[in-house]
Amino acid sequence: KAGVTQTPRYLIKTRGQQVTLSCSPISGHRSVSWYQQTPGQGLQFLFEYFSETQRNKGNFPGRFSGRQFSNSRSEMNVSTLELGDSALYLCASSLAGSTASGNTIYFGEGSWLTVV
Amino acid sequence: KNQVEQSPQSLIILEGKNCTLQCNYTVSPFSNLRWYKQDTGRGPVSLTIMTFSENTKSNGRYTATLDADTKQSSLHITASQLSDSASYICVVIGRDTDKLIFGTGTRLQVFP
Repeated sequence: KAGVTQTPRYLIKTRGQQVTLSCSPISGHRSVSWYQQTPGQGLQFLFEYFSETQRNKGNFPGRFSGRQFSNSRSEMNVSTLELGDSALYLCASSLAGSTASGNTIYFGEGSWLTVV
Repeated sequence: KNQVEQSPQSLIILEGKNCTLQCNYTVSPFSNLRWYKQDTGRGPVSLTIMTFSENTKSNGRYTATLDADTKQSSLHITASQLSDSASYICVVIGRDTDKLIFGTGTRLQVFP
């Protein structure tokens, strides 16, 4: 079956703009989580949605937001972009919550965001 | 200070050799610990998941061990292959926070 699909794969934005990234989870998966990966900070958890409700949230400013739709597809939005937001944004999906023991989470290929 | 520390930061080995990657964590209590493999420019792929009560878990040539008393985990790769060249990331899930806490990874390069 199809894996986790993220769009777009690459994008360039200028400071102050906003961006929306999209994630389609594996069919049947109800949990979608988002992560930011940078060379300096590594992977960091952004937030997780389960059945359209935000289940958990990392330590990121309010400029980072997300939502999940009834078909489990998810979007994340970053407003007022800063240079430091340049990163690989990864989405992952799982059947149950992302942190449940024995529950594998499957990552997408990510969206590369460059802020200039 | 990172709650999940990995060592070494990078490692170069010859094809066919074995290697062991280390993960030390301070997250406590934790519910489970995971190892992921991430190829350059790709998303991470799950290798193993261990609960706090498990000591070892294997996945083909990959074997993860866990010592909850010393808060250490290791990933042993047997008979390395060129395709093992990747970053290996240790992830600990805090039982109280219920969040994934990532290590900074070990970059492994396997040469012929």
